[in-house]
Amino acid sequence: NAGVTQTPKFQVLKTGQSMTLQCAQDMNHNSMYWYRQDPGMGLRLIYYSASEGTTDKGEVPNGYNVSRLNKREFSLRLESAAPSQTSVYFCASSEGQGRLETQYFGPGTRLLVL
Amino acid sequence: KNQVEQSPQSLIILEGKNCTLQCNYTVSPFSNLRWYKQDTGRGPVSLTIMTFSENTKSNGRYTATLDADTKQSSLHITASQLSDSASYICGAGSYQLTFGKGTKLSVIP
Repeated sequence: NAGVTQTPKFQVLKTGQSMTLQCAQDMNHNSMYWYRQDPGMGLRLIYYSASEGTTDKGEVPNGYNVSRLNKREFSLRLESAAPSQTSVYFCASSEGQGRLETQYFGPGTRLLVL
Repeated sequence: KNQVEQSPQSLIILEGKNCTLQCNYTVSPFSNLRWYKQDTGRGPVSLTIMTFSENTKSNGRYTATLDADTKQSSLHITASQLSDSASYICGAGSYQLTFGKGTKLSVIP
């Protein structure tokens, strides 16, 4: 039982390049989330998927797209990376989208955009 | 604008001592407050989740309190251990959360 896994662990991009961050969970959870964490700032929600087949914008969705591929997998795509997207990206999952659901976080992807 | 403020920014304590971390929030809508522990280079791990009607919740040596009237929460760590060295993050909201910047705790021998 690996929990939430993310790939890659580290990535360096040049401005304008694209990439997809992968996330998978093996807990049979319905809801999945993408957050970014920047130095000196709190976690901020980018997108979430309440259930398979649905996605919704969070606090900072600009510059990102997501795909809920199936119940297990939720990917985050940067179409044209910008230095402002340098951050640590965390994927999380929860059993449902209830207000009291525990969110389980992955280990993170550290992204540097030059 | 929703805000969550945590204090202190950083804290150093001796192993075995107790400490208290603070979280003040201005968030709407509000239904729950959460505390997370984040080890360096790892993802956050949930410690406690409290609804607006709860005053206290414990998880081992961690005890969180909530005063919804004053919009304040605290996390008390008892008999600290070296493994408690981490950042502690407060999050408040309803279905979506606003997070604080965290308190970095260092426990030294």
